[in-house]
Amino acid sequence: DQQVKQNSPSLSVQEGRISILNCDYTNSMFDYFLWYKKYPAEGPTFLISISSIKDKNEDGRFTVFLNKSAKHLSLHIVPSQPGDSAVYFCAASEASGTYKYIFGTGTRLKVLA
Amino acid sequence: EAQVTQNPRYLITVTGKKLTVTCSQNMNHEYMSWYRQDPGLGLRQIYYSMNVEVTDKGDVPEGYKVSRKEKRNFPLILESPSPNQTSLYFCASTMTNSPLAEAFFGQGTRLTVV
Repeated sequence: DQQVKQNSPSLSVQEGRISILNCDYTNSMFDYFLWYKKYPAEGPTFLISISSIKDKNEDGRFTVFLNKSAKHLSLHIVPSQPGDSAVYFCAASEASGTYKYIFGTGTRLKVLA
Repeated sequence: EAQVTQNPRYLITVTGKKLTVTCSQNMNHEYMSWYRQDPGLGLRQIYYSMNVEVTDKGDVPEGYKVSRKEKRNFPLILESPSPNQTSLYFCASTMTNSPLAEAFFGQGTRLTVV
């Protein structure tokens, strides 16, 4: 039972355009969400996070939107750059202090120059 | 340089031969965790530790053991590896217990069990 789903295994976007990566979850107890980026042969690196008390969080070119009623979050990258080409994972956690995370299966983003 | 170091990076072993993958962090982080990454399944948490001598199961703990005798080290032990434990393993550490805190990942250990 996949509690966190990233239904698009891959996405291609032209350089300079917007990339939108989606993530859906089924567990209504999830309150904390994070996005990680992963390049080949490297460990994941943190991008951005959001808690359920907010519906939007921005950090430079990266914005995460959370729609709690729809159990959906999305990561927007504007403008997309070739260096953004990587696999993106969303992750969710239920409660503070447990440090237990459920990750999605990842979306491979390719930004075309 | 702040980092999480895993060893070895690559390992091929035979079924049933006990092995340990080491993980060390130099950031004085309290929280550490192990994940495995498999095609089509993403990252799945195996075990995590919130402090020295405090560990708990993640989503897929079967077949694995961990220990946290000192803050900087969090080894992953496979007592009797099986082919279904062939995977890419990542160790991670986090400074605080905030669920929004950034986790720092090691470079990964690719394990093949034949």
